[in-house]
Amino acid sequence: GAGVSQSPSNKVTEKGKDVELRCDPISGHTALYWYRQRLGQGLEFLIYFQGNSAPDKSGLPSDRFSAERTGESVSTLTIQRTQQEDSAVYLCASSPSGGGVPYEQYFGPGTRLTVT
Amino acid sequence: AQSVTQLDSQVPVFEEAPVELRCNYSSSVSVYLFWYVQYPNQGLQLLLKYLSGSTLVKGINGFEAEFNKSQTSFHLRKPSVHISDTAEYFCAVSERGSYIPTFGRGTSLIVHP
Repeated sequence: GAGVSQSPSNKVTEKGKDVELRCDPISGHTALYWYRQRLGQGLEFLIYFQGNSAPDKSGLPSDRFSAERTGESVSTLTIQRTQQEDSAVYLCASSPSGGGVPYEQYFGPGTRLTVT
Repeated sequence: AQSVTQLDSQVPVFEEAPVELRCNYSSSVSVYLFWYVQYPNQGLQLLLKYLSGSTLVKGINGFEAEFNKSQTSFHLRKPSVHISDTAEYFCAVSERGSYIPTFGRGTSLIVHP
């Protein structure tokens, strides 16, 4: 079946502009995660959605970052007033819950964001 | 809070040689353990996982890992590597009861001909 998809694959933006990154999870996966991966670094957790519960936003680095998810489908990560330190690959992952394998995540290919 | 340490940022090795990528974690509760691989210009994919039961787990592409509770380690091994194994490898830990895993910084495996 289809995997996790993300768009755009690459985004170049000027400092101060807003950007929106999109993630389409695997159908039926109730959990969705956003991560940031800076060059040469590990994955930095940003936000977690589980079904219709309130999201866990504990990893968002500043109030310029926000994310939404419509039910158990697509999610959008928005970065306002982008800064050069926001340049990174933004990864989305989805995960089944309940009877599936707990906590295994399926990752999208990522969006490479470059802020000039 | 949990943490994950991958001591080696880079591991160079010759083709057909064995390799071990180290992962240590700290947690005050029981954990689930994962290894993910990221090939160049691709997303992460799961190599193997430890949930419970046998401490030796086998994954895809001939990789295996052993959970050692006393040493809080989950090292990844392969007896004979191929050029195609060149990739970034990430260890991840999820505490039981938490849905948010912690990832290590990654180890770059570089296989030379």
